Amino acid sequence: KAGVTQTPRYLIKTRGQQVTLSCSPISGHRSVSWYQQTPGQGLQFLFEYFSETQRNKGNFPGRFSGRQFSNSRSEMNVSTLELGDSALYLCASSPALEGTYGYTFGSGTRLTVV
Amino acid sequence: SQKIEQNSEALNIQEGKTATLTCNYTNYSPAYLQWYRQDPGRGPVFLLLIRENEKEKRKERLKVTFDTTLKQSLFHITASQPADSATYLCALDISGGYNKLIFGAGTRLAVHP
Repeated sequence: KAGVTQTPRYLIKTRGQQVTLSCSPISGHRSVSWYQQTPGQGLQFLFEYFSETQRNKGNFPGRFSGRQFSNSRSEMNVSTLELGDSALYLCASSPALEGTYGYTFGSGTRLTVV
Repeated sequence: SQKIEQNSEALNIQEGKTATLTCNYTNYSPAYLQWYRQDPGRGPVFLLLIRENEKEKRKERLKVTFDTTLKQSLFHITASQPADSATYLCALDISGGYNKLIFGAGTRLAVHP
């Protein structure tokens, strides 16, 4: 069974640009969450989608947005990139409406903003 | 605000010994708590989930305890091996079951031969 697939694995962008990251969850998983991981702040919750609806959002500025498609694939977008957005962006999927199962994480997208 | 604390220092132990990692939290009463393992440059890997009404959970060499009175979880790896060296993260759901997890900073475990 294929795991969670995130593309691209690495990305280098310039300040002010925008970026779109993609996540394909495990087949049958309808909940997809996004996290940002940095050395200073650790893993921080960005947002969670279930059946194309955003159910929760973390404390990030509006430059961070996401969406989920009918096949459960998800994308997140960051506009007007800042140097501080450099991080590992992780996507996680779960089969359940509620978090009574553990998440399966992808390997992440390493974003570097220069 | 919700806060999760894990041993900030790295934990160094000898192969074959039991590693014990601590997760303390404040200002919340989670329905369950999760433990993950993360290797450098990789996403976290789910290990165990324990519910508030469960005192202890085991999986092979892993054991997790959950004390909702102390607001603490302990994670044990028995008969540790060098391959167990990694960062271990605990996580709480703070959305009442809507998949919004907050993670501790993690504890780096190093098992020496």
